[in-house]
Amino acid sequence: NAGVTQTPKFQVLKTGQSMTLQCAQDMNHEYMSWYRQDPGMGLRLIHYSVGAGITDQGEVPNGYNVSRSTTEDFPLRLLSAAPSQTSVYFCASSYSQGMAGEQFFGPGTRLTVL
Amino acid sequence: AQSVTQLDSQVPVFEEAPVELRCNYSSSVSVYLFWYVQYPNQGLQLLLKYLSGSTLVKGINGFEAEFNKSQTSFHLRKPSVHISDTAEYFCARGSTLGRLYFGRGTQLTVWP
Repeated sequence: NAGVTQTPKFQVLKTGQSMTLQCAQDMNHEYMSWYRQDPGMGLRLIHYSVGAGITDQGEVPNGYNVSRSTTEDFPLRLLSAAPSQTSVYFCASSYSQGMAGEQFFGPGTRLTVL
Repeated sequence: AQSVTQLDSQVPVFEEAPVELRCNYSSSVSVYLFWYVQYPNQGLQLLLKYLSGSTLVKGINGFEAEFNKSQTSFHLRKPSVHISDTAEYFCARGSTLGRLYFGRGTQLTVWP
């Protein structure tokens, strides 16, 4: 199993550009989530999904969209990038919502917005 | 509100010394607690978890943590650290809705 994969590993955007961060898992996990990690802030939940077709907002959803059309994929879209979105983004998955604490994390995408 | 407080942002120790990384949580009826480790330029990896039962939880790489309900704490300990334990450690709390709330992290640096 590849586990949780994320692409790209690094990305530089200009203010106002849009892009999609890709996340995929091959463990047939129901629960998937996106976090951002900023120095001294820990990880903060952006959006999460409890299954295909179901998504919900986390702590810091503004400026981000998600969709979950398949169990495997959970892309994160930045609609109009801002410097405040410079961060490291992690995708994670777990078997089900009830076990969401036991999450498997991807390697991260480091995003810089100029 | 759910909250997790990691009391130290940085902990420097010498190799083979014991270490304790401190974590406190806000009180609630149901408590699910986790410690994750993040090695440089990598994602997070689960070290150990407390869901219920025994208050002493053993994890990978020789780490253990003790759930203390009266102190609302879940401190992480290792009796003898190695240089390879240098990493950032995150305490996290899970909710019955399945969300994780992370502390701000503790950078453990092990010196030779």
